[in-house]
Amino acid sequence: DTGVSQNPRHKITKRGQNVTFRCDPISEHNRLYWYRQTLGQGPEFLTYFQNEAQLEKSRLLSDRFSAERPKGSFSTLEIQRTEQGDSAMYLCASSLPQVPYEQYFGPGTRLTVT
Amino acid sequence: KQEVTQIPAALSVPEGENLVLNCSFTDSAIYNLQWFRQDPGKGLTSLLLIQSSQREQTSGRLNASLDKSSGRSTLYIAASQPGDSATYLCAPESGAGSYQLTFGKGTKLSVIP
Repeated sequence: DTGVSQNPRHKITKRGQNVTFRCDPISEHNRLYWYRQTLGQGPEFLTYFQNEAQLEKSRLLSDRFSAERPKGSFSTLEIQRTEQGDSAMYLCASSLPQVPYEQYFGPGTRLTVT
Repeated sequence: KQEVTQIPAALSVPEGENLVLNCSFTDSAIYNLQWFRQDPGKGLTSLLLIQSSQREQTSGRLNASLDKSSGRSTLYIAASQPGDSATYLCAPESGAGSYQLTFGKGTKLSVIP
């Protein structure tokens, strides 16, 4: 049983460019979560999907951020017009649709905006 | 809004010592609480999950307790090893239909050989 995978693992981009990250959850996990972690801080919740439905969004998810999960399997997180403040580790997690909803995290995508 | 505090922020112990990491949270209406470890530059590894109806969970040398009414959880590590060196994060899961985890800043543990 493979874990949560994320691609790419590292991304360096120039300010103003668009970037897209991919997350593949553990198979049969119908819940998928995105978090962001900056240096020295704990992860912060961004958004959550159950199957293909985006059910919860944080206020951290500005208009420049969009997340999709078109077929209820993998998910993408796109950041448009990147800013230096977007530099962070973007973490994806998944869980089964049953108690106790334990979340399993992927290795993350490290974004550096120059 | 849930806020999570972890004390101490950093801890250095000699190999073989038993140790306790503390976590407090402001909103006791949680569904469960997870403890994670994070190695530098890596993702999070789930260590233990305690449901709100439980008082403690054990896995090997790790024991986590939960006092939901007082908003506290502790992670006890027995016979620490250098391989335990990492940052430990606690994260209560909000109830009432919100499944997000709220994290503290973590406790950075160093186990000295």
